Amino acid sequence: AQSVTQLDSQVPVFEEAPVELRCNYSSSVSVYLFWYVQYPNQGLQLLLKYLSGSTLVKGINGFEAEFNKSQTSFHLRKPSVHISDTAEYFCAVSWAGTASKLTFGTGTRLQVTL
Amino acid sequence: GAVVSQHPSRVICKSGTSVKIECRSLDFQATTMFWYRQFPKQSLMLMATSNEGSKATYEQGVEKDKFLINHASLTLSTLTVTSAHPEDSSFYICSARDLGQPRAKNIQYFGAGTRLSVL
Repeated sequence: AQSVTQLDSQVPVFEEAPVELRCNYSSSVSVYLFWYVQYPNQGLQLLLKYLSGSTLVKGINGFEAEFNKSQTSFHLRKPSVHISDTAEYFCAVSWAGTASKLTFGTGTRLQVTL
Repeated sequence: GAVVSQHPSRVICKSGTSVKIECRSLDFQATTMFWYRQFPKQSLMLMATSNEGSKATYEQGVEKDKFLINHASLTLSTLTVTSAHPEDSSFYICSARDLGQPRAKNIQYFGAGTRLSVL
């Protein structure tokens, strides 16, 4: 079965430090990759996406991610985090031929402190 | 653009009653919408795919008679939790695809979610 793995359930980091949130998926066939952010009691906001083209994608709020086909990974990075980045981050994958269904990872809680 | 509105944001109901949740695409047409359920501190689980003008497609293990989905127009899908019980308490989130933008057809835009509490 196709799956998405976010190994880190929580990532504590100090403000202005860099951060990487890891995401791996199970199959290297044609995929579309997404990172979403969820603030408490809210829906999901799209941070960035990889559909095709350049493997390095830039999103909102200074986040970027790199699609690595050989390692089936799509790690999210930010060079300098802010307190306001504290939230839950979900990696999601849509495999070609699945009618755009999204499979979500279990989420990573990013906790930014002073 | 690509705004999805979900209503209500929170609902508290008595056990045995039915609750309807609306999901609207405000500035685009959505022939397909998705309904997810999220338990506390867990990920989103797809419940069903809502198709305009036809029956919804339910994921394995989801009771279609329990969670009624209607997608009567290109901008509105509804999820009705019938005869709700405490175990149905959860956060329900909808999403929609904007098929009017070919380059964005694989992107899902999410509503703000509905917190259902069944007493």
